[in-house]
Amino acid sequence: QVQLVESGGGVVQPGRSLRLSCAASGFTFSNCAMHWVRQAPGKGLEWVAFILYDGSNNFYADSVKGRFTISRDNSKNTLYLQMNSLRAEDTAVYYCARHYSGSYCIDHWGQGTLVTVSS
Amino acid sequence: QSALTQPASVSGSPGQSITISCTGTSSDVGSYNLVSWFQQHPGKAPKLIIYEGTKRPSGVSNRFSGSKSDNTASLTISGLQAEDEADYYCCSYAGSSTWVFGGGTKLTVL
Repeated sequence: QVQLVESGGGVVQPGRSLRLSCAASGFTFSNCAMHWVRQAPGKGLEWVAFILYDGSNNFYADSVKGRFTISRDNSKNTLYLQMNSLRAEDTAVYYCARHYSGSYCIDHWGQGTLVTVSS
Repeated sequence: QSALTQPASVSGSPGQSITISCTGTSSDVGSYNLVSWFQQHPGKAPKLIIYEGTKRPSGVSNRFSGSKSDNTASLTISGLQAEDEADYYCCSYAGSSTWVFGGGTKLTVL
C-alpha cells in the first residue's frame, strides 16, 4: 500500500532554514508527481509546492515562492522541501502528498510533520 | 491564489442529507472540472473522497457525491452517520500547475 512518511520537522528560529523529507513506498515513486501541503494549527489546508515525476519542473504558492524549494531523489524514493528565511506564519503541519496523474488532484497523504517557527 | 470559499460549519441529524458549497472563480473552479474533496478527522491526514468533481475513489461510500455549477462546486453527504463528523475541504486546480484549497467546513452530526 502507498506509504508516505515525513520527517525533519521541529522548532526553528525566524530567519533560519529547515529541510523536510518524505520517504515514499508502496508505489513507483519515479512515475509520480508530488506535492507539499501545509496546515497551520487550527486552520485549513494550504497548497505549497508541486514537482513533476522527474524533477524537471516545480511550482510554488506565492506565499513561499523564492524561500522554499521542492526537490526529489528518485534513486532514494524521497521527496524534499528546503525551507529558508522561515517566518512565524510558516508554522504548520507539512504534508507530503502523491499527485493523481490525469485527475489533477492528490490521492494519498502522509501523516505530516510539525514545523514551529518561534524565537 | 485566494482560498476557495466554504461555509465554516454545517450540521445535520443522522439519516439526513447535507450539502457543502465551495465557491471559487472563473480562474479555478469555473475553468476546470477538477475539483476534489477531502475528509479530515481530528489529528489525521486528509482522505480523498471525490475527484474530478463527481468521481469517487474505490472504497468511498456512495453516500458521498459531488457536483458543480459555474464557479461553485458542492459536496453532498446523504444518510448522515456519526462517523461522517469531520472537517471537509475542497480543492481545485487553478492552472499553471497550481492548486487552491477551500477554507474548510466542520460537519457536526447532531
